[in-house]
Amino acid sequence: GENVEQHPSTLSVQEGDSAVIKCTYSDSASNYFPWYKQELGKGPQLIIDIRSNVGEKKDQRIAVTLNKTAKHFSLHITETQPEDSAVYFCAASKDTGFQKLVFGTGTRLLVSP
Amino acid sequence: GAVVSQHPSWVICKSGTSVKIECRSLDFQATTMFWYRQFPKQSLMLMATSNEGSKATYEQGVEKDKFLINHASLTLSTLTVTSAHPEDSSFYICSARRDGRNEQFFGPGTRLTVL
Repeated sequence: GENVEQHPSTLSVQEGDSAVIKCTYSDSASNYFPWYKQELGKGPQLIIDIRSNVGEKKDQRIAVTLNKTAKHFSLHITETQPEDSAVYFCAASKDTGFQKLVFGTGTRLLVSP
Repeated sequence: GAVVSQHPSWVICKSGTSVKIECRSLDFQATTMFWYRQFPKQSLMLMATSNEGSKATYEQGVEKDKFLINHASLTLSTLTVTSAHPEDSSFYICSARRDGRNEQFFGPGTRLTVL
């Protein structure tokens, strides 16, 4: 089955810096890769996603890149703000079947003012 | 759009009692919903996949007789933790997949504490 690894487990940056979180997946059949932000005591919130027919996607300060050959994808946050502090999860799934998401282990991002 | 609600947001119960958690997609139809549990500082663990009008599919190691799932309509799935014990205390989160799309939208979670 699919296995998703995520690094780093914690990331501390200064406000205004960029943050990069990386994930690798094992199943070459996976073709949908969402990123979720989870604040303390809340459910995960979808912040951006990418499909395997696209190499990069941007939404304001957030971007995701995908390298299908290497089977890894990354989340890039530019001009970080204290409110970006949260736990970020990557995930992978296929478009067929039940389309279960397999999650990474999470990255705790702390943005200091 | 794409709002998912859960009720209750938190519940405290005595050992041996049953607890029902509701998951609703408020502004879209969801033939498929998912139930996860999350322990502190850990990732989400899929418990089961719930499909409207059919039996849920449970992940390996999840007791289907203990975690009863009902998906009676295109906007509502329920998870009942039967005969709850302290080790069942956790954060339970549902998600709903919008019909025709791959995105999953998560509810706010339910914190269950079993005394």
